[in-house]
Amino acid sequence: AQKVTQAQTEISVVEKEDVTLDCVYETRDTTYYLFWYKQPPSGELVFLIRRNSFDEQNEISGRYSWNFQKSTSSFNFTITASQVVDSAVYFCVSYNNNDMRFGAGTRLTVKP
Amino acid sequence: DTAVSQTPKYLVTQMGNDKSIKCEQNLGHDTMYWYKQDSKKFLKIMFSYNNKELIINETVPNRFSPKSPDKAHLNLHINSLELGDSAVYFCASSPSHGYNEQFFGPGTRLTVL
Repeated sequence: AQKVTQAQTEISVVEKEDVTLDCVYETRDTTYYLFWYKQPPSGELVFLIRRNSFDEQNEISGRYSWNFQKSTSSFNFTITASQVVDSAVYFCVSYNNNDMRFGAGTRLTVKP
Repeated sequence: DTAVSQTPKYLVTQMGNDKSIKCEQNLGHDTMYWYKQDSKKFLKIMFSYNNKELIINETVPNRFSPKSPDKAHLNLHINSLELGDSAVYFCASSPSHGYNEQFFGPGTRLTVL
């Protein structure tokens, strides 16, 4: 079975700081998919990014960037110049072969 | 215009009762899911349906029964509610199973007294 570990339960930063959310996954499969979702205080879950196991290119979207490293089984998420609106719980997710696993989530608090 | 809707948004009920939560998506997606989020924010998939066929059926009590009358609907029926069933239940949909991004409903907060 797959497993996703988000070792950071809570992170608190001050606005404009950069912050990295760690995600380590375990799978025996060669084909798999990784995702990040955001859950702001309002409660809804919002998709941020998807990566498949054959695409190790890092991605940048505005202040968000993702670092996918198969060698370390990690899919880390960095927010540059954090803002108060980034405060949320962030989930890393893996999927393969009808097996979907969510990490425990990292609660990010960005203080003004 | 709501893509994935759930009703009700809040549900307060007594132990032992039977209740249902409804979910509808208007995105034309083939796959729908039910998740449970506990008080510690831990999210776990319960069921998934693809074209009305059950795909994922995680280890949940058989008091929980999903029903998919058509591709746009996936309802969750819960029999003999227990205190431990109190949680937020999320419905989601995706174009196909698993490897696409999912669109989540607003959640249903179930409180069992």
